[in-house]
Amino acid sequence: DVKVTQSSRYLVKRTGEKVFLECVQDMDHENMFWYRQDPGLGLRLIYFSYDVKMKEKGDIPEGYSVSREKKERFSLILESASTNQTSMYLCASSLAGRVLNTEAFFGQGTRLTVV
Amino acid sequence: GNSVTQMEGPVTLSEEAFLTINCTYTATGYPSLFWYVQYPGEGLQLLLKATKADDKGSNKGFEATYRKETTSFHLEKGSVQVSDSAVYFCALSEGYGGATNKLIFGTGTLLAVQP
Repeated sequence: DVKVTQSSRYLVKRTGEKVFLECVQDMDHENMFWYRQDPGLGLRLIYFSYDVKMKEKGDIPEGYSVSREKKERFSLILESASTNQTSMYLCASSLAGRVLNTEAFFGQGTRLTVV
Repeated sequence: GNSVTQMEGPVTLSEEAFLTINCTYTATGYPSLFWYVQYPGEGLQLLLKATKADDKGSNKGFEATYRKETTSFHLEKGSVQVSDSAVYFCALSEGYGGATNKLIFGTGTLLAVQP
């Protein structure tokens, strides 16, 4: 089974802290994604990566950065956490290819609270 | 840009009732369409998908038909169970440079099934 593992289920951080959310997948997928999930807004794409060291901004990249030094690992970084970044963060991965029916596999999510 | 609109919840049903969750989309080209499900405390998992017009996706008693003429992908189940209680997300895939694809999600619909 494909496994996408997020390092923490719950995190509480203080305003202004630098926060790292880690995600690892074990199926050699080329694509990796970070979404945030908020009630009434669904899932919104923050950043995605289609290869090692490659990254692209999603719909809401402000206040975030990412790192992909190895194929299996995709990190989301909150440079200076703010209370409006309190949310559920979901990592996903998928195979690359020109076929647009590739399934995405999700981690269990990290619920981040910024106080 | 591409978008997905799904009916707002919550949807509350009695066990064995018929379920419909409406989903419509706006897209250029020919996206693939998906339904993902999120059970309490878990990440998203693929429920079913359809990759071209008139395709029907099905899984676990759920069905959805890709209707290009009405740009819809409504989710149906003939007889729901308490274990179907979850949040359901409609999504479409959007190509990016031919090498990967992103998922565009609706806002999610909470389904609560009562015994």
